[in-house]
Amino acid sequence: EVQLVESGGDLVQPGRSLRLSCAASGFTFDNYGMHWVRQAPGKGLEWVSGISWNGGSIAYGDSVKGRFTISRDNAKNSLYLQMNSLRSEDTALYYCAKDFGSSRAFDIWGQGTMVTVSS
Amino acid sequence: QSALTQPPSASGSPGQSVTISCTGTSSDVGGYNYVSWYQQQPGKAPKLMIYEFNKRPSGVPDRFSGSKSGNTASLTVSGLQAEDEADYYCSSYAGSNKRVFGGGTKLSVL
Repeated sequence: EVQLVESGGDLVQPGRSLRLSCAASGFTFDNYGMHWVRQAPGKGLEWVSGISWNGGSIAYGDSVKGRFTISRDNAKNSLYLQMNSLRSEDTALYYCAKDFGSSRAFDIWGQGTMVTVSS
Repeated sequence: QSALTQPPSASGSPGQSVTISCTGTSSDVGGYNYVSWYQQQPGKAPKLMIYEFNKRPSGVPDRFSGSKSGNTASLTVSGLQAEDEADYYCSSYAGSNKRVFGGGTKLSVL
């Protein structure tokens, strides 16, 4: 079964750091680009960051650029998001999502991990 | 990198058709054929419904169709069913491996 499982979400104080992980299974992980998408409580989807199959192409949304770092370990079938200088507006459910071939769409999503930034 | 513009809500009666628009710019929707649509049921992860503006993944009913003209893409749901009630989001490629989402549309089946 194709599956993405996120972990690492927590309650954290403003200004602190957190690292999210996404474990992939059921498909050849190193064939696909991967992304992080977040959803604040009661709000819409926001694309956060994406990384190509080999890590050679990385992009960030304007709201997280310079604070978040995406990475992947193809040997461990895992995707990561290092989040620094967290703000209250980063509070959201963070999904990892898989590229659907070269279509620039997301065909597989995890169930998400919740990050709450509050003092 | 502004969000794509979607109407906050749309509605229709069972059996009717409804169309949801998604307006961007020449840097995203208008510049690429990489528009996708997602359905999100309450408490669930999004589900891919349309990719490359008018293609359906395997398993998605043909009641769902997509189109694009200039900077605006559209999702049409024909023969509305109660199970189609959900939030719908468009997304577009925006160059340099970036993506952008719309604000979402809540579809109600009356």
